[in-house]
Amino acid sequence: DTEVTQTPKHLVMGMTNKKSLKCEQHMGHRAMYWYKQKAKKPPELMFVYSYEKLSINESVPSRFSPECPNSSLLNLHLHALQPEDSALYLCASSQAPGSAQETQYFGPGTRLLVL
Amino acid sequence: QKEVEQNSGPLSVPEGAIASLNCTYSDRGSQSFFWYRQYSGKSPELIMFIYSNGDKEDGRFTAQLNKASQYVSLLIRDSQPSDSATYLCAVNIGGFKTIFGAGTRLFVKA
Repeated sequence: DTEVTQTPKHLVMGMTNKKSLKCEQHMGHRAMYWYKQKAKKPPELMFVYSYEKLSINESVPSRFSPECPNSSLLNLHLHALQPEDSALYLCASSQAPGSAQETQYFGPGTRLLVL
Repeated sequence: QKEVEQNSGPLSVPEGAIASLNCTYSDRGSQSFFWYRQYSGKSPELIMFIYSNGDKEDGRFTAQLNKASQYVSLLIRDSQPSDSATYLCAVNIGGFKTIFGAGTRLFVKA
């Protein structure tokens, strides 16, 4: 089973709203990732959690706030977003954090529209 | 800056033909390489991974890696219309980081 789930599938929010994206995996993976993907562009890494600790923050604006409550869950809290933040937000997980052979498996994504 | 380069396409092949997708990367220390398929509006789906020089086959898919030339390719045999998608080459450069190419759009004509 290589399933990563994400909720919601779609989200429309205003620039003053606060919302959260959720990601869950039950594969025992110890690394989880948030990516942002704009249309016709490759995924861009935002954050990496390894063993529930934040390992990488790719200079993401503070209006995006990640949280890893436990080894199976990953959240992305959104506040005061801008229209240019509209994108597909992808969660991924991998089994062996930091391994040269780590393989990432993606969830279905949350399509976010900021009005 | 570490980069992964792909021809954006579109690459158009007739049904039943072999589709050849290519990728080059700049970080000579990269150790693992991945091909993802992404249908429009969907998330990337892992097709193949390869770590060692040479060929790796899985069904209709063959990944080829040449670390000396910093080149990785994906061959799709007996291409089907359902293979029409964007194929992303991804390279693990270490430290949890995987860099994605911009993707090659493949069209398989029935």
